Amino acid sequence: AQKITQTQPGMFVQEKEAVTLDCTYDTSDPSYGLFWYKQPSSGEMIFLIYQGSYDQQNATEGRYSLNFQKARKSANLVISASQLGDSAMYFCAMRGVRAGNMLTFGGGTRLMVKP
Amino acid sequence: GAGVSQSPRYKVAKRGQDVALRCDPISGHVSLFWYQQALGQGPEFLTYFQNEAQLDKSGLPSDRFFAERPEGSVSTLKIQRTQQEDSAVYLCASTRSVQGYGYTFGSGTRLTVV
Repeated sequence: AQKITQTQPGMFVQEKEAVTLDCTYDTSDPSYGLFWYKQPSSGEMIFLIYQGSYDQQNATEGRYSLNFQKARKSANLVISASQLGDSAMYFCAMRGVRAGNMLTFGGGTRLMVKP
Repeated sequence: GAGVSQSPRYKVAKRGQDVALRCDPISGHVSLFWYQQALGQGPEFLTYFQNEAQLDKSGLPSDRFFAERPEGSVSTLKIQRTQQEDSAVYLCASTRSVQGYGYTFGSGTRLTVV
């Protein structure tokens, strides 16, 4: 079984500052992928970043980076230079090779960017 | 189309009514997933298709839920005899290949059972 835990229900960040959203996971699958999605109020899930369990380097995509610590089973999302448009729900998710192709999601973190 | 399209965008159903939710994935995408997202929670897996084959339906909460994808493109999620606990956003996602990580989600259908 796979489990994703996001311990921060809500967070505030000042515009232009960096913020870290926490994600820990549990799986017995030797090969897995970790995802972060943004869900604005419109409801659509927007893909942000992906990290494979065997990737040697932490993933980066523009202002998004993933702080992957395999031994600690954590995959925190770092957003640099926050913008007002970053205000949304953020979900961490994983997919395991053995568990099939579905994504298992965490409960989400609501990020609010203050001007 | 350019993205995953879901319809209707909103649906209000009276308790006991049957509903059908449609998902039109990106053309050529092999895999299609349905998720249920309760208010304030993360999406939960319902079922998965590879082309027209339903390979996993372990997340369907009861036998009132039924999904199909007869021609390997458009999919329909049907809920019979709706109950209040079925109120949620139903999300559809598709991927180009079986092992791809490029999941594209639709905007969802918000179902409210009154």
